[in-house]
Amino acid sequence: DQQVKQNSPSLSVQEGRISILNCDYTNSMFDYFLWYKKYPAEGPTFLISISSIKDKNEDGRFTVFLNKSAKHLSLHIVPSQPGDSAVYFCAASGNFGNEKLTFGTGTRLTIIP
Amino acid sequence: ETGVTQSPTHLIKTRGQQVTLRCSSQSGHNTVSWYQQALGQGPQFIFQYYREEENGRGNFPPRFSGLQFPNYSSELNVNALELDDSALYLCASSLGGRGETQYFGPGTRLLVL
Repeated sequence: DQQVKQNSPSLSVQEGRISILNCDYTNSMFDYFLWYKKYPAEGPTFLISISSIKDKNEDGRFTVFLNKSAKHLSLHIVPSQPGDSAVYFCAASGNFGNEKLTFGTGTRLTIIP
Repeated sequence: ETGVTQSPTHLIKTRGQQVTLRCSSQSGHNTVSWYQQALGQGPQFIFQYYREEENGRGNFPPRFSGLQFPNYSSELNVNALELDDSALYLCASSLGGRGETQYFGPGTRLLVL
């Protein structure tokens, strides 16, 4: 049972444009959500997180939106840069992040120069 | 402040053997979690240790076991290796508690032949 889903295995975006990565979850006990970026041969790198008491969190070029009623979150990257090319994982946790992380299967983002 | 490190980076074992993977957490992080990432999948939670005690376990058999030491290092042991154990093994450390981010090491890639 896949509790966190990333339905787009890959996404290509022109440099300078907006990249939007999507994630859906089914477990209503999740109350903390994170995005990680992963390059080949490296571990996941934390990007940004959001608690269920918020619907938006921003950090520089990265913004995460949470729609609790739809059980959906998205990561916006503006403007997209070539260094953003990586696999992006959405993860969810309960107890405001004090429990295990449940990951999606990832979306490979390619930024086209 | 040093990051999370793991050793070895790569390992080849044969079916039925035993393996020990090591992780050194960030200084001061009293919580360590281990994840298994199969090819094309997101990381799957194996277990978590908090102050040297197991603090949650995922859907993995007892032949997966762990230890956490007072010096912020930890081990993942896998007995009776099976072909399906071939994967990237990631450890992540955190301060524990609500809203504390888990920081990942680069992983150990295990191949079971």
